[in-house]
Amino acid sequence: GAVVSQHPSRVICKSGTSVKIECRSLDFQATTMFWYRQFPKQSLMLMATSNEGSKATYEQGVEKDKFLINHASLTLSTLTVTSAHPEDSSFYICSARTNRVQGGYTFGSGTRLTVV
Amino acid sequence: DQQVKQNSPSLSVQEGRISILNCDYTNSMFDYFLWYKKYPAEGPTFLISISSIKDKNEDGRFTVFLNKSAKHLSLHIVPSQPGDSAVYFCAASVRNQGGKLIFGQGTELSVKP
Repeated sequence: GAVVSQHPSRVICKSGTSVKIECRSLDFQATTMFWYRQFPKQSLMLMATSNEGSKATYEQGVEKDKFLINHASLTLSTLTVTSAHPEDSSFYICSARTNRVQGGYTFGSGTRLTVV
Repeated sequence: DQQVKQNSPSLSVQEGRISILNCDYTNSMFDYFLWYKKYPAEGPTFLISISSIKDKNEDGRFTVFLNKSAKHLSLHIVPSQPGDSAVYFCAASVRNQGGKLIFGQGTELSVKP
């Protein structure tokens, strides 16, 4: 299979600080990764598409200056939540396309962000 | 604009009976549909998919039906088992547009013994 490792799994930070979430493809190269956010009992909302070596493509309504995405290598994409506020508290999940798994997409295990 | 909709937030089924989860979509460009099972604080787990050129795909207890004219798909689980209790998401993509997945709101399935 193809595994995406996401870290950290849980993080608590103070308002106004920044938090970085990493997603690594362990045994394949991911030229494209997707970042999702899920609020309790709601859908997985696509935030942005991360492309290796180029700028991310953000979905409508997602602040690109607040959610910084970097995809500097074929195995690592990072999402940085800058100047976090309590309303940014959510579950963040990354995903990558790969033909090595059924369905064609593999997901990280998610990061629970709590901003206090 | 919710392009993929799951209008039933929850479903309760007796063990051994059939579970039918429904999903509607609005974007006629979607050409690939998937169903995922998800537990809280975990990533989604792939269940089954279907291409828009087909109307049915079956894998063990899981069958997905696609009605393109109605822009509707459904997931059938038979027989349902208590271990099937989870939140089920349908998702859709346009494969030649980067392949980003658009998810429905999810349906929480509870299978009672």
